[in-house]
Amino acid sequence: QQQVKQSPQSLIVQKGGISIINCAYENTAFDYFPWYQQFPGKGPALLIAIRPDVSEKKEGRFTISFNKSAKQFSLHIMDSQPGDSATYFCAASHQVTGKLIFGQGTTLQVKP
Amino acid sequence: DAGVIQSPRHEVTEMGQEVTLRCKPISGHDYLFWYRQTMMRGLELLIYFNNNVPIDDSGMPEDRFSAKMPNASFSTLKIQPSEPRDSAVYFCASSLWTGSYNEQFFGPGTRLTVL
Repeated sequence: QQQVKQSPQSLIVQKGGISIINCAYENTAFDYFPWYQQFPGKGPALLIAIRPDVSEKKEGRFTISFNKSAKQFSLHIMDSQPGDSATYFCAASHQVTGKLIFGQGTTLQVKP
Repeated sequence: DAGVIQSPRHEVTEMGQEVTLRCKPISGHDYLFWYRQTMMRGLELLIYFNNNVPIDDSGMPEDRFSAKMPNASFSTLKIQPSEPRDSAVYFCASSLWTGSYNEQFFGPGTRLTVL
């Protein structure tokens, strides 16, 4: 119940295309869903986050879609750029403990 | 702000040796987290502190691992004795509880290699 399942494990997209990464959770006590971006040799950095009271959040080219009933959420990267090539982690935070449970990560490669 | 600071950035040691990883959280943050990242297991939470007090150490793999936070600006993760399977990147993260969520800021990590 503490798991967050992320897919796909890896993704190759052409420049200008749309990258989509999906996550699913089971624990209804999760109440905060961030996405982290990690470049090689660096720590993860917060990219965008959503609370379950909204179904979508957009920041620039990055959009989170959230489906509370299905317990799923996804990251969409519009107009993908080579500079977006990185590993992306979804996560879910428990409303009581504040612990973050991370998905397994998706390695994105955007080809020029 | 300099962000979360970790040292050393790289550590190579031999099996059986003691290893100490250090972390300085962002000033004013009240939570500190230690994570381990490997290809096989991804990002694993080892332990976290709130106001310098350990709250949950259920992720610590075994008694060889210990963590301390003697004050609000410093924490250590110690492995004694180290084993080759401890080789990983260890991240420290800190956050400030806003009352509704906990945005964590990660340090650059320490890459540990145990020979």
